[in-house]
Amino acid sequence: RKEVEQDPGPFNVPEGATVAFNCTYSNSASQSFFWYRQDCRKEPKLLMSVYSSGNEDGRFTAQLNRASQYISLLIRDSKLSDSATYLCVVNNQGGKLIFGQGTELSVKP
Amino acid sequence: NAGVTQTPKFQVLKTGQSMTLQCAQDMNHEYMSWYRQDPGMGLRLIHYSVGAGITDQGEVPNGYNVSRSTTEDFPLRLLSAAPSQTSVYFCASSPGYQNSPLHFGNGTRLTVT
Repeated sequence: RKEVEQDPGPFNVPEGATVAFNCTYSNSASQSFFWYRQDCRKEPKLLMSVYSSGNEDGRFTAQLNRASQYISLLIRDSKLSDSATYLCVVNNQGGKLIFGQGTELSVKP
Repeated sequence: NAGVTQTPKFQVLKTGQSMTLQCAQDMNHEYMSWYRQDPGMGLRLIHYSVGAGITDQGEVPNGYNVSRSTTEDFPLRLLSAAPSQTSVYFCASSPGYQNSPLHFGNGTRLTVT
């Protein structure tokens, strides 16, 4: 079983839709969590960190459920420019940052 | 600041050849790491380092060696390239404290024939 798992998608949604991605992790000692965005095989870029109390950045909301060992990303009012692959990242003990396989999002007009 | 610099951007090797992918960062980051990305597999951690002189294996270390003689540099060596090592390689660094995000290089596209 992979340490970090995501639904690979693709998710095809119309503009304006709300879309949610989930990610599960296997190491209960994991310490920090992130969502990254990757465009067309370019380098991944940080979208947002995920804090225990949940956090929001504009149209993006991230949540962490330590008991169930999953994190989520909600995108409201999807834009064409949101089309990308979204990567869940977990920082395990010892500093290893492990990526999920990514979820592809395609927003259509 | 240049950030994280990877060279080369593209490389073609024949099976059995050796080469070193270079990675340098100018942000005084303690943590550095190498990932490979294959279609449908996401990024998989090859090796990482939490400081100069310290390296450790990631998820897929076989066939790769690393060293960290300075804080700035973290080269990845392929001693005998195999077609299975055809991939896109990303180097990344971070300050190393909890919740610190990764800064990525632009990637190296390697093809082994």
